[in-house]
Amino acid sequence: DADVTQTPRNRITKTGKRIMLECSQTKGHDRMYWYRQDPGLGLRLIYYSFDVKDINKGEISDGYSVSRQAQAKFSLSLESAIPNQTALYFCATSDLNVGQSYTGELFFGEGSRLTVL
Amino acid sequence: RKEVEQDPGPFNVPEGATVAFNCTYSNSASQSFFWYRQDCRKEPKLLMSVYSSGNEDGRFTAQLNRASQYISLLIRDSKLSDSATYLCVVNEQEYGQNFVFGPGTRLSVLP
Repeated sequence: DADVTQTPRNRITKTGKRIMLECSQTKGHDRMYWYRQDPGLGLRLIYYSFDVKDINKGEISDGYSVSRQAQAKFSLSLESAIPNQTALYFCATSDLNVGQSYTGELFFGEGSRLTVL
Repeated sequence: RKEVEQDPGPFNVPEGATVAFNCTYSNSASQSFFWYRQDCRKEPKLLMSVYSSGNEDGRFTAQLNRASQYISLLIRDSKLSDSATYLCVVNEQEYGQNFVFGPGTRLSVLP
């Protein structure tokens, strides 16, 4: 089983619908992230969280919200989806914990492909 | 100007070739540097970190030039399985959060 699991893997929805993407991890990492990937643009950070209840905006947070109710779970919501939110979304974790060595590696889920019509 | 830029690609090379990817970054205060590999429709995975002294892992060699704000990845004796997109990633804070991704360079190794 994957250490970082995203659901759903694929979703097609209509403009104006509310969508939630779920991410869960078994790595025990405190830090979790949501990125989106668009062709030619690279991954861009939407939101990140360093601990339960800790929420921080990334580069492109407008139109998105997140929830971190447990260490292992970080969900991303699109309150009212629009076509330009069509993208591949990745959840990731990293291994920085206070007092431990830091490799800087990001561990990604398999991605959630979202299409907004 | 993009914060992290890479060769636009794609690179199409024959098996056994040596190929080099280049990456430049704009923030001179950047702290750590990485190359990730992403297969088509898959998640990125860490290929190697990049250290100031340069580092090698088998057929892969990474170099960092802080003065020029330049990172490179060299792949020797290319294999078909090396076909993927290579992402240059820069962390602008030592223990913080600002991983900036380049757009990636796609490599196709041809038989």
